[in-house]
Amino acid sequence: GAVVSQHPSRVICKSGTSVKIECRSLDFQATTMFWYRQFPKKSLMLMATSNEGSKATYEQGVEKDKFLINHASLTLSTLTVTSAHPEDSSFYICSATQSPNTGELFFGEGSRLTVL
Amino acid sequence: KNEVEQSPQNLTAQEGEFITINCSYSVGISALHWLQQHPGGGIVSLFMLSSGKKKHGRLIATINIQEKHSSLHITASHPRDSAVYICAAGGSQGNLIFGKGTKLSVKP
Repeated sequence: GAVVSQHPSRVICKSGTSVKIECRSLDFQATTMFWYRQFPKKSLMLMATSNEGSKATYEQGVEKDKFLINHASLTLSTLTVTSAHPEDSSFYICSATQSPNTGELFFGEGSRLTVL
Repeated sequence: KNEVEQSPQNLTAQEGEFITINCSYSVGISALHWLQQHPGGGIVSLFMLSSGKKKHGRLIATINIQEKHSSLHITASHPRDSAVYICAAGGSQGNLIFGKGTKLSVKP
């Protein structure tokens, strides 16, 4: 089946620094990628929808200047957490699809961010 | 009230038992997704369905659009089925609204 690779799987950073997380579709062209966040013992929450070549659409309450999303190619989307704070510590996961309203979703392995 | 409700929240079963996890949603959907999340966090998409029933191995998913209800069944459960099972309502743009998940533990 299709594979979505996410990197890094774990990252620890100091407060105030920026962290970039990559999401790659390895064997298909992902026209749309989604970024989610999951706090401990909480539901997954959609953060933003990313379409190749256009600006990401952010969900209500998600700061676009803090969570920078770039989807420059059909196989790569990046999420950059800027000026990270301890409250940004969470599990971030991406998914990718060839067709957002009919296609199957493939999930990355997730990235666990800890901000000290 | 959450837009996607799952029950039960936790489920413990003996190996071999038939398992049912229920999902009710209150939003319009293009598709209903069932996902499996393992302890490390990784997620696998099990089913995407918009009507009827789908079967994959020992897993069966059904949906009743009129009642806005879906069920995930696991036949002949096995300890390796232990995971969190998540129901998600999919919008027309592929955006998902997630349930809180059902933590399943299958004892040998």
